[in-house]
Amino acid sequence: DAKTTQPPSMDCAEGRAANLPCNHSTISGNEYVYWYRQIHSQGPQYIIHGLKNNETNEMASLIITEDRKSSTLILPHATLRDTAVYYCIVRGNSGGSNYKLTFGKGTLLTVNP
Amino acid sequence: GAGVSQSPSNKVTEKGKDVELRCDPISGHTALYWYRQSLGQGLEFLIYFQGNSAPDKSGLPSDRFSAERTGGSVSTLTIQRTQQEDSAVYLCASSSETSGAMTQYFGPGTRLLVL
Repeated sequence: DAKTTQPPSMDCAEGRAANLPCNHSTISGNEYVYWYRQIHSQGPQYIIHGLKNNETNEMASLIITEDRKSSTLILPHATLRDTAVYYCIVRGNSGGSNYKLTFGKGTLLTVNP
Repeated sequence: GAGVSQSPSNKVTEKGKDVELRCDPISGHTALYWYRQSLGQGLEFLIYFQGNSAPDKSGLPSDRFSAERTGGSVSTLTIQRTQQEDSAVYLCASSSETSGAMTQYFGPGTRLLVL
């Protein structure tokens, strides 16, 4: 899997948008960008993924740059329950051992009242 | 619909005892994965089941660890003669093997403490 770089921590005010950056400059053409988060003492939670186009679902938006070397996860209206470690990973599609997920250090997002 | 469920949520055992951890994947998901996560550490892949294919057991740390998946659904991870270093959160995930990305959905985990 391509390596990703994320800031170790970020703060956000409740109700404001949280923008979490991720660099993945060595991403290859068939690798997806995935975001998961892990709230303290819980299992990882899938948020969103994308290949080339920007994506939006009920949880978040994913903005991928045209060269695909970086992306931003946007939580439009952060709540206190969004405080968690957010992991950005890149991985290929089915085949080989792409199913073995690995998380880096991630970004600890703290949403403040 | 229902997500991945795991039981028990917590397990405390004595060194040398055997433990069984259970995972119920999302209905219809053909792929099932076991990982473990030690305190403050990242994910460690253990084993992968896909349909009727032979499982990928390459991540099992020792022969004390085994897993099975009956009927292509429920899976059990068994740790024999537990050791203190086995203490960790054991996570199960499942995915639907569709073309393209394979999104894995995780359960809440089983927190194992070996005394």
